[in-house]
Amino acid sequence: EAGVTQFPSHSVIEKGQTVTLRCDPISGHDNLYWYRRVMGKEIKFLLHFVKESKQDESGMPNNRFLAERTGGTYSTLKVQPAELEDSGVYFCASSPGPSYGYTFGSGTRLTVV
Amino acid sequence: QKEVEQDPGPLSVPEGAIVSLNCTYSNSAFQYFMWYRQYSRKGPELLMYTYSSGNKEDGRFTAQVDKSSKYISLFIRDSQPSDSATYLCAMSGTYKYIFGTGTRLKVLA
Repeated sequence: EAGVTQFPSHSVIEKGQTVTLRCDPISGHDNLYWYRRVMGKEIKFLLHFVKESKQDESGMPNNRFLAERTGGTYSTLKVQPAELEDSGVYFCASSPGPSYGYTFGSGTRLTVV
Repeated sequence: QKEVEQDPGPLSVPEGAIVSLNCTYSNSAFQYFMWYRQYSRKGPELLMYTYSSGNKEDGRFTAQVDKSSKYISLFIRDSQPSDSATYLCAMSGTYKYIFGTGTRLKVLA
C-alpha cells in the first residue's frame, strides 16, 4: 500500500509570505495528525483529525496556522503570514484508529528567511 | 521537566553489539509506548508498538516497558551498520504522542 505522502518536501519562503503544506494519508485511515519538529527540539503535536473533523488542535501555535481536511481525505496546513520561528520539519501521520501506531510521512522541511 | 526524557547520544557501537536505548517518563497516564527509527531526511518509521507493561519481541528488536519505574527500553541484538539512525521513543494516553528528543546511534562496521 502507498504510504503517507507529503509535499513539498522542502520549502523556502520569506517572512510574511504564505505557505501551504499538503498531506495525503494512507487510504482508509480516518485519523490524520500533524506534528512539527523545530531545530534541536522534540517532535510536537499540532492537531488531530478524525475524517474531516478536528478532534484536537491544542498544539497549534497561534492563529497564523490553519489546517483543513477536505472530505476526510487529504489535509492541508497553511501558515499565513510565516514568521522565522515557524521554520522546522512538519510531519503528517495517519492511523486506522487511536490504538494503532502512526505511519509518518517524510515531512516537509520549511525554512522561513 | 519534560514529560519524556531521552539521552540524545550519540551512541557508537561495533557491529554485532547489543544496543540498549532507554526513555523515562513522568506521566502515569501513558498506556501506549512506541519506538520509531528515523533515517536522515526521512520520516519516523514505526519499529515497536506496546500497550501497557511487559516485553515485545520482533526479530532483532525487543521492547520493554516498566510502568512501575516509568522506564522503557529498546534492545537491538546483532546490530548492523544499517541500524545507524536516530531512535525516538514516543508514548501516549490516547492518540496524542509525546516524543523523546531521539538518540543518535552509529553502528561501526
